[in-house]
Amino acid sequence: AQSVTQLDSQVPVFEEAPVELRCNYSSSVSVYLFWYVQYPNQGLQLLLKYLSGSTLVKGINGFEAEFNKSQTSFHLRKPSVHISDTAEYFCAVIPRDNNNDMRFGAGTRLTVKP
Amino acid sequence: SAVISQKPSRDICQRGTSLTIQCQVDSQVTMMFWYRQQPGQSLTLIATANQGSEATYESGFVIDKFPISRPNLTFSTLTVSNMSPEDSSIYLCSVYMRFTTNYGYTFGSGTRLTVV
Repeated sequence: AQSVTQLDSQVPVFEEAPVELRCNYSSSVSVYLFWYVQYPNQGLQLLLKYLSGSTLVKGINGFEAEFNKSQTSFHLRKPSVHISDTAEYFCAVIPRDNNNDMRFGAGTRLTVKP
Repeated sequence: SAVISQKPSRDICQRGTSLTIQCQVDSQVTMMFWYRQQPGQSLTLIATANQGSEATYESGFVIDKFPISRPNLTFSTLTVSNMSPEDSSIYLCSVYMRFTTNYGYTFGSGTRLTVV
């Protein structure tokens, strides 16, 4: 089965600073990769996904992520964060041969300070 | 992409009672999923609900505690039975959209349950 490791449980940054949220996965088969964001007291919203093609994926709100197959990573980045980016971020994987088996990382709480 | 309406958005319940959470999707989907998110934790899959068949439960979750209904292709309910404070969590329903521009899982806004 596949698994996801989010290396940082909490990431505090100042406004307008760059940020990287790290995600590594483990799987014996090829996977699709996702990042979701959960704002306080809300459900999950899809930020971006990697299915195939270019390994650099751009998502909503200025976020992007790069799929690195050799390092089995899918790190999320933003060059300049805003206060409104404060939220919980979840990395997730789905095996290509079983789309009903999504696994989530433990989450990273991004806190943007003024 | 699919739009999911989930109700109630939050509730405070007495221990020993039951709460039924409803999930309505604006398009027909074969499979719906129910997740639990305990305080400060990630999401854990409770069960997968197919229309017209019994739900499939993940290890650690049983039908007597979390009965699920799936009467048609756009609706599902999850009941949290005989609640205890340990059941205080966010419960989310989800659908999986394939071969669409928003490929992946779409989630409802969640039900924040507090058991007192």
